[in-house]
Amino acid sequence: DTEVTQTPKHLVMGMTNKKSLKCEQHMGHRAMYWYKQKAKKPPELMFVYSYEKLSINESVPSRFSPECPNSSLLNLHLHALQPEDSALYLCASSQPDRDNEKLFFGSGTQLSVL
Amino acid sequence: GEDVEQSLFLSVREGDSSVINCTYTDSSSTYLYWYKQEPGAGLQLLTYIFSNMDMKQDQRLTVLLNKKDKHLSLRIADTQTGDSAIYFCAERTEDKLVFGAGTILRVKS
Repeated sequence: DTEVTQTPKHLVMGMTNKKSLKCEQHMGHRAMYWYKQKAKKPPELMFVYSYEKLSINESVPSRFSPECPNSSLLNLHLHALQPEDSALYLCASSQPDRDNEKLFFGSGTQLSVL
Repeated sequence: GEDVEQSLFLSVREGDSSVINCTYTDSSSTYLYWYKQEPGAGLQLLTYIFSNMDMKQDQRLTVLLNKKDKHLSLRIADTQTGDSAIYFCAERTEDKLVFGAGTILRVKS
């Protein structure tokens, strides 16, 4: 199994809603990531979990709350989002290796905030 | 600082070779990567090269690295319509990957 699975594929939410994005991998990877990608732009790193602990938070607003319940799962809880938060949210995983970080990406969740 | 630059667009005919170029700034990068993104999909790792190598070949893909000029290129031989996508180069710097803006490759049949 070399897949990173993200659900849902599409999500439309209002600014007062609470929703969660989910990510799962069964490759035994111990590092998991959330990236945000706007149209025609490169992915931007949001969070990194290494061995289930948050290791990098790229100054992401608190309306985005990550959670890593175990080594296979990564969630992103969303609350009180703004329309400018509409984007493709990508999850990725890798084996923590300082020198060679081969990331495997999921297909993403396309989020629209109304 | 972190800055990875790519040309934005490349158009080639089916069967021709494509060359996508990238420049990076962090001379301490140990690995450099090429990712492919098709519409509505995530990023797919195509290939990577270690910084002490000049060239790496993998089937139709050839990666060239000029460490002195901090220049990386990806050559796709016999380009097919299925190769149409956005190609991102990336360098590993300060514990994270930094991506270039991406090059849109359009293959005309």
